[in-house]
Amino acid sequence: SQTIHQWPATLVQPVGSPLSLECTVEGTSNPNLYWYRQAAGRGLQLLFYSVGIGQISSEVPQNLSASRPQDRQFILSSKKLLLSDSGFYLCAWSGDSRSYNEQFFGPGTRLTVL
Amino acid sequence: GENVEQHPSTLSVQEGDSAVIKCTYSDSASNYFPWYKQELGKRPQLIIDIRSNVGEKKDQRIAVTLNKTAKHFSLHITETQPEDSAVYFCAASKGSGYNKLIFGAGTRLAVHP
Repeated sequence: SQTIHQWPATLVQPVGSPLSLECTVEGTSNPNLYWYRQAAGRGLQLLFYSVGIGQISSEVPQNLSASRPQDRQFILSSKKLLLSDSGFYLCAWSGDSRSYNEQFFGPGTRLTVL
Repeated sequence: GENVEQHPSTLSVQEGDSAVIKCTYSDSASNYFPWYKQELGKRPQLIIDIRSNVGEKKDQRIAVTLNKTAKHFSLHITETQPEDSAVYFCAASKGSGYNKLIFGAGTRLAVHP
C-alpha cells in the first residue's frame, strides 16, 4: 500500500532563516505531487504541483520554491522566511496523470515563523 | 478560473440529527468531486467522492449528491455522532492531467451529545 511521509512534523524558525521541508511517497511510482499551505483555521491553498522529476508548477507567487529531485521526493524550500509563511504545510500525492485518482495527504509540517 | 463555494461555514447539530453541507462550482468541465474530513491538528482525510457520471453515492452514514445542471453537490451525514465533529472540505477537479483540486473554504461541524 502507498504511504506518504513528511518531516519535520513541527518547526519553529526565525524570520529570515531558510526552510527545507521534505515529502516522500512509498508504494507507487510516477505520482503527481502537491504542496499545500493551510493557515490557522483556514482552507487549503495549493502552492506547487509536480507531474514528474524536475517538473514543477507554481500556483501562487511567493518566496517559496519546490523541487523534485527524485520520482517520489518533493521538497519545499525558502531562502528567507517571512512571518506570513507560518502555517500547516501539507504534501499530497495522486496517481499518474492518465486516470482519475484520489488525492491523499501526508501528516503535515506545522511551521511557526517568529 | 475555477471557484468552489461551500456553505455553511459552521454547522452545529445534536447527536443523531442529520447534517448537510453544500458546495457549488463554477467550471462546468469539472467531473470529480471529493469530500475531506479534517480533525483538529490532523491531515485532511478523503471520506467520499463522486464522479460526474453518477448522481448519488452512499457509504454507510454518509452520502454525496451531485446536480451537474445546477453545478452543485452536497454531503449528507445521517445519525451524526460526536466523532463526526471536524472541518469538512469539498473540492472539484476536471480530472485530467494532474488532478488539480479546487477546495471550498470548509465547514466546521460540531455534533453535541
